[in-house]
Amino acid sequence: DAGVIQSPRHEVTEMGQEVTLRCKPISGHDYLFWYRQTMMRGLELLIYFNNNVPIDDSGMPEDRFSAKMPNASFSTLKIQPSEPRDSAVYFCASKLPQTGAEQYFGPGTRLTVT
Amino acid sequence: GEDVEQSLFLSVREGDSSVINCTYTDSSSTYLYWYKQEPGAGLQLLTYIFSNMDMKQDQRLTVLLNKKDKHLSLRIADTQTGDSAIYFCAEILTNSGGGADGLTFGKGTHLIIQP
Repeated sequence: DAGVIQSPRHEVTEMGQEVTLRCKPISGHDYLFWYRQTMMRGLELLIYFNNNVPIDDSGMPEDRFSAKMPNASFSTLKIQPSEPRDSAVYFCASKLPQTGAEQYFGPGTRLTVT
Repeated sequence: GEDVEQSLFLSVREGDSSVINCTYTDSSSTYLYWYKQEPGAGLQLLTYIFSNMDMKQDQRLTVLLNKKDKHLSLRIADTQTGDSAIYFCAEILTNSGGGADGLTFGKGTHLIIQP
Protein backbone atom coordinates (compact mmCIF):
# COMPACT_ATOMS: atom_id res chain seq x y z
CA ASP A 1 0.00 0.00 0.00
CA ALA A 2 1.20 3.53 -0.74
CA GLY A 3 0.35 4.77 2.71
CA VAL A 4 -1.60 7.93 3.44
CA ILE A 5 -1.29 10.34 0.52
CA GLN A 6 -1.54 14.09 0.91
CA SER A 7 -1.47 16.84 -1.66
CA PRO A 8 -0.06 19.28 -2.23
CA ARG A 9 3.14 18.80 -0.23
CA HIS A 10 3.74 22.53 -0.17
CA GLU A 11 1.32 25.39 -0.62
CA VAL A 12 2.10 29.08 -0.62
CA THR A 13 -0.80 31.46 -0.87
CA GLU A 14 -1.74 35.02 -0.13
CA MET A 15 -3.90 36.07 2.75
CA GLY A 16 -7.58 35.95 1.85
CA GLN A 17 -7.26 33.14 -0.67
CA GLU A 18 -9.01 29.82 -0.38
CA VAL A 19 -6.81 26.81 0.34
CA THR A 20 -7.81 23.18 -0.13
CA LEU A 21 -5.73 20.34 1.28
CA ARG A 22 -6.36 16.78 0.16
CA CYS A 23 -5.93 13.39 1.72
CA LYS A 24 -6.30 9.80 0.59
CA PRO A 25 -6.34 7.37 3.52
CA ILE A 26 -5.03 3.84 3.46
CA SER A 27 -7.57 1.54 1.86
CA GLY A 28 -9.69 -0.23 4.46
CA HIS A 29 -9.07 2.31 7.21
CA ASP A 30 -12.37 3.52 8.65
CA TYR A 31 -10.97 6.48 10.57
CA LEU A 32 -9.44 9.63 9.13
CA PHE A 33 -7.86 12.42 11.17
CA TRP A 34 -6.68 15.94 10.37
CA TYR A 35 -3.93 17.41 12.58
CA ARG A 36 -2.10 20.73 12.48
CA GLN A 37 1.49 21.19 13.63
CA THR A 38 3.00 24.54 14.60
CA MET A 39 6.05 25.48 16.63
CA MET A 40 3.96 27.25 19.24
CA ARG A 41 1.14 24.78 19.71
CA GLY A 42 2.67 21.51 18.62
CA LEU A 43 0.36 18.88 17.10
CA GLU A 44 -3.37 19.53 17.45
CA LEU A 45 -6.25 17.35 16.38
CA LEU A 46 -8.60 19.39 14.19
CA ILE A 47 -11.29 16.91 13.21
CA TYR A 48 -11.78 13.22 12.59
CA PHE A 49 -14.15 11.02 10.64
CA ASN A 50 -15.43 7.50 11.11
CA ASN A 51 -16.93 5.85 8.04
CA ASN A 52 -16.98 9.26 6.31
CA VAL A 53 -19.00 10.86 9.12
CA PRO A 54 -17.42 13.69 11.19
CA ILE A 55 -17.24 12.53 14.79
CA ASP A 56 -15.46 15.34 16.60
CA ASP A 57 -14.70 18.75 15.10
CA SER A 58 -14.08 20.53 18.38
CA GLY A 59 -10.49 21.18 17.37
CA MET A 60 -11.39 23.17 14.27
CA PRO A 61 -10.18 26.65 15.13
CA GLU A 62 -12.77 28.80 13.37
CA ASP A 63 -15.58 28.80 10.87
CA ARG A 64 -12.99 29.55 8.22
CA PHE A 65 -11.99 25.89 8.47
CA SER A 66 -14.13 23.13 7.03
CA ALA A 67 -13.52 19.47 6.29
CA LYS A 68 -15.36 16.95 4.20
CA MET A 69 -15.12 13.27 3.45
CA PRO A 70 -17.36 12.53 0.46
CA ASN A 71 -16.23 8.91 0.25
CA ALA A 72 -14.00 6.40 1.98
CA SER A 73 -10.97 7.25 -0.11
CA PHE A 74 -10.89 11.04 -0.07
CA SER A 75 -11.04 13.95 2.34
CA THR A 76 -10.47 17.67 2.06
CA LEU A 77 -9.61 20.38 4.55
CA LYS A 78 -10.52 23.84 3.33
CA ILE A 79 -9.55 27.22 4.71
CA GLN A 80 -11.49 30.20 3.41
CA PRO A 81 -10.30 32.90 3.73
CA SER A 82 -6.77 32.01 4.74
CA GLU A 83 -4.74 34.09 7.19
CA PRO A 84 -0.99 34.19 7.98
CA ARG A 85 -1.61 32.50 11.35
CA ASP A 86 -2.90 29.45 9.49
CA SER A 87 0.67 28.77 8.33
CA ALA A 88 1.53 25.30 9.61
CA VAL A 89 2.07 21.71 8.56
CA TYR A 90 -1.23 19.88 8.18
CA PHE A 91 -1.18 16.11 8.62
CA CYS A 92 -3.75 13.56 7.66
CA ALA A 93 -3.78 10.16 9.38
CA SER A 94 -5.91 7.05 9.09
CA LYS A 95 -6.43 3.92 11.13
CA LEU A 96 -8.39 0.71 11.43
CA PRO A 97 -11.44 0.71 13.70
CA GLN A 98 -9.95 -1.21 16.64
CA THR A 99 -9.46 0.90 19.75
CA GLY A 100 -5.83 1.81 20.09
CA ALA A 101 -4.97 0.82 16.53
CA GLU A 102 -1.98 2.63 15.08
CA GLN A 103 -2.60 5.90 13.29
CA TYR A 104 -0.67 6.07 10.04
CA PHE A 105 0.37 9.59 9.13
CA GLY A 106 0.79 11.12 5.72
CA PRO A 107 3.86 13.24 4.87
CA GLY A 108 1.98 16.47 5.57
CA THR A 109 1.21 19.65 3.65
CA ARG A 110 3.33 22.66 4.55
CA LEU A 111 1.09 25.71 4.20
CA THR A 112 2.51 29.21 4.09
CA VAL A 113 0.09 32.14 4.01
CA THR A 114 1.74 35.47 3.22
CA GLY B 1 -8.62 19.07 29.68
CA GLU B 2 -5.95 16.66 28.63
CA ASP B 3 -2.34 17.84 28.52
CA VAL B 4 0.86 16.01 27.69
CA GLU B 5 4.19 17.50 28.77
CA GLN B 6 7.68 16.76 27.51
CA SER B 7 11.08 18.41 27.65
CA LEU B 8 11.89 20.16 24.38
CA PHE B 9 15.49 19.00 23.96
CA LEU B 10 17.72 16.08 24.94
CA SER B 11 21.37 15.79 23.98
CA VAL B 12 23.24 12.48 24.30
CA ARG B 13 26.51 11.00 23.08
CA GLU B 14 26.42 8.37 20.38
CA GLY B 15 26.40 4.95 21.99
CA ASP B 16 24.85 6.13 25.25
CA SER B 17 21.26 5.52 26.29
CA SER B 18 18.63 8.21 25.74
CA VAL B 19 15.74 8.59 28.14
CA ILE B 20 12.85 10.76 27.03
CA ASN B 21 10.25 11.57 29.65
CA CYS B 22 6.59 12.50 29.42
CA THR B 23 3.78 13.29 31.83
CA TYR B 24 0.11 13.09 30.98
CA THR B 25 -3.07 14.08 32.72
CA ASP B 26 -5.90 11.87 31.49
CA SER B 27 -6.02 8.99 33.96
CA SER B 28 -8.53 7.18 31.77
CA SER B 29 -6.05 6.81 28.91
CA THR B 30 -5.94 3.17 27.86
CA TYR B 31 -3.09 3.48 25.38
CA LEU B 32 0.02 5.62 25.41
CA TYR B 33 2.23 6.04 22.38
CA TRP B 34 5.65 7.13 21.27
CA TYR B 35 5.95 8.56 17.77
CA LYS B 36 9.09 9.60 15.91
CA GLN B 37 9.27 12.45 13.39
CA GLU B 38 12.28 12.90 11.15
CA PRO B 39 12.86 16.25 9.40
CA GLY B 40 10.29 16.97 6.70
CA ALA B 41 8.42 13.74 7.34
CA GLY B 42 5.23 12.60 8.97
CA LEU B 43 5.01 10.78 12.27
CA GLN B 44 5.95 7.14 12.61
CA LEU B 45 4.70 5.00 15.46
CA LEU B 46 7.64 3.61 17.43
CA THR B 47 5.86 1.73 20.16
CA TYR B 48 2.88 1.85 22.46
CA ILE B 49 1.92 0.51 25.85
CA PHE B 50 -1.36 -0.52 27.39
CA SER B 51 -2.23 1.29 30.59
CA ASN B 52 -2.32 -1.99 32.54
CA MET B 53 1.35 -2.61 31.78
CA ASP B 54 4.39 -1.24 33.59
CA MET B 55 7.03 -1.94 30.98
CA LYS B 56 7.38 -2.91 27.37
CA GLN B 57 10.60 -3.75 25.57
CA ASP B 58 11.09 -3.85 21.83
CA GLN B 59 14.69 -4.32 20.68
CA ARG B 60 16.54 -1.10 21.63
CA LEU B 61 13.39 0.55 22.95
CA THR B 62 12.07 0.27 26.51
CA VAL B 63 8.89 1.98 27.62
CA LEU B 64 8.20 2.47 31.30
CA LEU B 65 4.81 3.52 32.63
CA ASN B 66 4.09 4.81 36.12
CA LYS B 67 0.33 5.15 36.24
CA LYS B 68 0.28 6.54 39.75
CA ASP B 69 2.47 9.48 38.73
CA LYS B 70 1.13 9.58 35.15
CA HIS B 71 4.68 9.37 33.90
CA LEU B 72 5.84 7.67 30.72
CA SER B 73 9.40 7.26 29.52
CA LEU B 74 11.13 5.99 26.41
CA ARG B 75 14.63 4.59 26.68
CA ILE B 76 16.70 4.12 23.54
CA ALA B 77 19.72 1.91 24.12
CA ASP B 78 22.96 2.42 22.19
CA THR B 79 21.76 5.67 20.61
CA GLN B 80 22.82 6.07 16.96
CA THR B 81 22.95 9.09 14.67
CA GLY B 82 19.89 7.72 12.88
CA ASP B 83 17.92 8.17 16.09
CA SER B 84 18.18 11.94 15.73
CA ALA B 85 14.57 13.12 15.43
CA ILE B 86 11.67 14.58 17.37
CA TYR B 87 9.95 12.13 19.70
CA PHE B 88 6.31 12.64 20.61
CA CYS B 89 4.46 11.18 23.52
CA ALA B 90 0.72 10.80 22.90
CA GLU B 91 -2.39 9.62 24.70
CA ILE B 92 -5.80 8.84 23.37
CA LEU B 93 -8.07 11.85 23.60
CA THR B 94 -11.49 11.29 25.11
CA ASN B 95 -13.84 13.49 23.14
CA SER B 96 -16.93 15.33 24.28
CA GLY B 97 -19.12 12.50 23.06
CA GLY B 98 -17.28 9.97 25.18
CA GLY B 99 -15.47 8.39 22.28
CA ALA B 100 -11.74 7.89 22.34
CA ASP B 101 -10.09 7.97 18.98
CA GLY B 102 -8.00 11.07 18.41
CA LEU B 103 -4.60 11.56 20.00
CA THR B 104 -3.31 14.32 22.26
CA PHE B 105 0.38 14.89 21.64
CA GLY B 106 3.12 16.46 23.67
CA LYS B 107 5.14 19.19 21.95
CA GLY B 108 7.90 16.72 21.21
CA THR B 109 11.47 16.20 22.41
CA HIS B 110 14.28 16.98 19.98
CA LEU B 111 16.89 14.25 20.42
CA ILE B 112 20.35 15.54 19.51
CA ILE B 113 23.17 13.05 19.07
CA GLN B 114 26.72 14.14 19.80
CA PRO B 115 29.54 12.21 18.11
